[in-house]
Amino acid sequence: ELKVEQNPLFLSMQEGKNYTIYCNYSTTSDRLYWYRQDPGKSLESLFVLLSNGAVKQEGRLMASLDTKARLSTLHITAAVHDLSATYFCAVDMGIQGAQKLVFGQGTRLTINP
Amino acid sequence: EPEVTQTPSHQVTQMGQEVILRCVPISNHLYFYWYRQILGQKVEFLVSFYNNEISEKSEIFDDQFSVERPDGSNFTLKIRSTKLEDSAMYFCASSEDLMNYGYTFGSGTRLTVV
Repeated sequence: ELKVEQNPLFLSMQEGKNYTIYCNYSTTSDRLYWYRQDPGKSLESLFVLLSNGAVKQEGRLMASLDTKARLSTLHITAAVHDLSATYFCAVDMGIQGAQKLVFGQGTRLTINP
Repeated sequence: EPEVTQTPSHQVTQMGQEVILRCVPISNHLYFYWYRQILGQKVEFLVSFYNNEISEKSEIFDDQFSVERPDGSNFTLKIRSTKLEDSAMYFCASSEDLMNYGYTFGSGTRLTVV
């Protein structure tokens, strides 16, 4: 059974600092997604990582995927308060037509002024 | 930008009652899903649907649950006899081509069973 583990689960940081959220998964997959969720809201797609070595950046967020290590990272650069949210990684499993996402536990990020 | 639309946004129901959660996926998408999130927990897969049939379902998706695509636009999740532990946020998602794109999630239906 696929396990997806994020760490840390809670992260409180100061504005302007850098930090990294880690997502480890237990079986082979080359498709991984990062989502942001604000309290009581839906899942907003941040990054779609579809191959080993994929790196994507949007603003202060950068995500990477190492399929050999079964590891993805979400790096936050010079954090700002607006980035406070819960971040989920999700690994895509299954075959075409029968896929499913297995989510990590989420990382609740709080950025303090 | 195209959206996945879910109704209602919040439903309160009594234990043992049937509920139907509705979703309108993005029109050119072929794959449809239901996920749920119990408050404060991670998102869990319930079921995937392709070509008018269930392609995969989780252990959570027992005989109390069913899905249907009654017409060309709607995708529904029915819970026949709700239990207190069914209280959760239910998200519908759809996808077009997983090799190049991801999934688009709806805004969710918060189901409260009392």
